Amino acid sequence: DAGVIQSPRHEVTEMGQEVTLRCKPISGHDYLFWYRQTMMRGLELLIYFNNNVPIDDSGMPEDRFSAKMPNASFSTLKIQPSEPRDSAVYFCASSYPYNEQFFGPGTRLTVL
Amino acid sequence: GNSVTQMEGPVTLSEEAFLTINCTYTATGYPSLFWYVQYPGEGLQLLLKATKADDKGSNKGFEATYRKETTSFHLEKGSVQVSDSAVYFCALSDLVDSSYKLIFGSGTRLLVRP
Repeated sequence: DAGVIQSPRHEVTEMGQEVTLRCKPISGHDYLFWYRQTMMRGLELLIYFNNNVPIDDSGMPEDRFSAKMPNASFSTLKIQPSEPRDSAVYFCASSYPYNEQFFGPGTRLTVL
Repeated sequence: GNSVTQMEGPVTLSEEAFLTINCTYTATGYPSLFWYVQYPGEGLQLLLKATKADDKGSNKGFEATYRKETTSFHLEKGSVQVSDSAVYFCALSDLVDSSYKLIFGSGTRLLVRP
C-alpha cells in the first residue's frame, strides 16, 4: 500500500488567496483526520470523518476553514481567504476503527 | 477530560546512553496508549502501542509499559543511536464517549550526539 498521500507537499501563497489541500487515505480505512502542526501550538486535530461523514469539527479554527470528503478515497481541506497565521504543516491521517492512525507526509503551507 | 502530559524537551544524550521519556495520562475510561515518532520533515509514525494495563509495547529497541496504577506510559531505550534523533509523541485513545480520536502530548524532542 502507498500509505496516506497528501498533495501538494509544499504550498506558498499570498494572503487572501484560496488554498486547497488534498488527501488520499489508505484504502479500506473508515476514519480520516486532519491535523495542523505549528511550533507554538503543537499538533492540533482540526476535524475528522467516519465513513465520509464529518464527526467532530470542533478544532476547525474559524469559518475560513472547511473540509469535505466526497468519497472514501479523497478529502480536501480548504482555507479561504488564507492569512499568514495559517502557515503550518497540515497532516492527514487515516485508520480502521479502534486502531492506530497512519499519517501522511504533510503539506507545508506558507502564507505571505 | 482526557489529557496527556509529556516531559519537556529537548532531551540531549550521547550515543549509547539510556533513554527515558516520561508520559502520564488522564482518562475517563480504559484507553489505548501509543508512542509516535516524527523524524525531521516527515509525518508521525507509530512506534509502539499498548491496549490494556500491564501490556508492554516494543519496537526497534524502544519499550513502554502501560501502568494503570501510576497512569503512566514511559518510553525507554537501553542504547540510543544518532538515528533516533526525532520528536516523540505520547497519545491515548479513549472510547468511553464513543468518539474516536487520539489525544496527543506536546511532544519531546530527542537529540543524540555521536
